[in-house]
Amino acid sequence: NAGVMQNPRHLVRRRGQEARLRCSPMKGHSHVYWYRQLPEEGLKFMVYLQKENIIDESGMPKERFSAEFPKEGPSILRIQQVVRGDSAAYFCASSLTPNQPQHFGDGTRLSIL
Amino acid sequence: QKEVEQNSGPLSVPEGAIASLNCTYSDRGSQSFFWYRQYSGKSPELIMSIYSNGDKEDGRFTAQLNKASQYVSLLIRDSQPSDSATYLCAHKRFSGGYNKLIFGAGTRLAVHP
Repeated sequence: NAGVMQNPRHLVRRRGQEARLRCSPMKGHSHVYWYRQLPEEGLKFMVYLQKENIIDESGMPKERFSAEFPKEGPSILRIQQVVRGDSAAYFCASSLTPNQPQHFGDGTRLSIL
Repeated sequence: QKEVEQNSGPLSVPEGAIASLNCTYSDRGSQSFFWYRQYSGKSPELIMSIYSNGDKEDGRFTAQLNKASQYVSLLIRDSQPSDSATYLCAHKRFSGGYNKLIFGAGTRLAVHP
């Protein structure tokens, strides 16, 4: 499967713990986007990264959230000290160039106890 | 006003009927519009893109764009139960040097036999 791969598919954390969500883009894609989807809502843009660079993080909460896309390995979305309101589906997408269509992974469903 | 507005539904249509999904947007400068289909618990899947006024047909799907009215729609002919999903309207907004994908909250479509 050469599509966008996200793991884990489901993640359960207790309040105060850290959550790490991983995304491997499609082969050859160097542009990665993270979105959050709350129940019954559309996808909200969080951050756009290229290899080793954050291009646009205007949709990321200022505290507790961070993202990286290292030279080697997957992109990571990290949420520190999780709270109940962080419960959502987090989708990653990748594209060949910034203006080509974005292809989505199957998402990570994060549940906070 | 939300940047992309959709009726949340559910829109219920009988099998074989035409389903009509509507979307309005606020950014007059937007040039690119997309319809994504999202099955429950799955990733969004791009089904149509449209860039110029008028109709664009692809199989049972027709996208319609009216830039003067800031309105884009998706028609699904001969609706099937397998078309039951949430349909997300999106447009690209040029921001920060690249085109950012902005989603509506989605319309749930239910096709009943």
